[in-house]
Amino acid sequence: SQKIEQNSEALNIQEGKTATLTCNYTNYSPAYLQWYRQDPGRGPVFLLLIRENEKEKRKERLKVTFDTTLKQSLFHITASQPADSATYLCALDIGGYNKLIFGAGTRLAVHP
Amino acid sequence: DTAVSQTPKYLVTQMGNDKSIKCEQNLGHDTMYWYKQDSKKFLKIMFSYNNKELIINETVPNRFSPKSPDKAHLNLHINSLELGDSAVYFCASSPGEGAGELFFGEGSRLTVL
Repeated sequence: SQKIEQNSEALNIQEGKTATLTCNYTNYSPAYLQWYRQDPGRGPVFLLLIRENEKEKRKERLKVTFDTTLKQSLFHITASQPADSATYLCALDIGGYNKLIFGAGTRLAVHP
Repeated sequence: DTAVSQTPKYLVTQMGNDKSIKCEQNLGHDTMYWYKQDSKKFLKIMFSYNNKELIINETVPNRFSPKSPDKAHLNLHINSLELGDSAVYFCASSPGEGAGELFFGEGSRLTVL
């Protein structure tokens, strides 16, 4: 069955540094992958979508890479700020109709 | 103006009861979804509708019945509630059934006692 893994432990970094979060998957070849941010008690908020034929996507301080050979996506936040503290979810398309499966997320804490 | 709104936000009920969660989106999207987020924080898709037609129906007990009266609304009715149904239920919408971002509501936390 499809498996999607994100760093289960929280990631603690200093303000101003680059945060790098990892999403690994097995047993499928998704056409695209998405990243979401979720704050406590709130719904996930979409950040970026990257397709299988794209190596990298950027949006302001965010960058996503997608390596279909390694079956891995990396999510980077440059010049991180305390306001970036949240849980970040990776989601894979698993076969049309925008059917996504989500990882459990990685909690990021940015310290002043 | 809230894009995807769910009611109620909190729901506490006894085992065996029947309850409903309502969802409305004002984004003009064609596709709506129900996701369940359990205590381990995994978001799992339950159902999706495209323009009132059921598109995705995951392995969900038939005690769960979605209803879409029009493409702006997708309600979730749950019969004979069980302890294991306790979770946060998220409604979401997207412009179409192809690749695209999901817009989530704020969630409805269901607690079954």
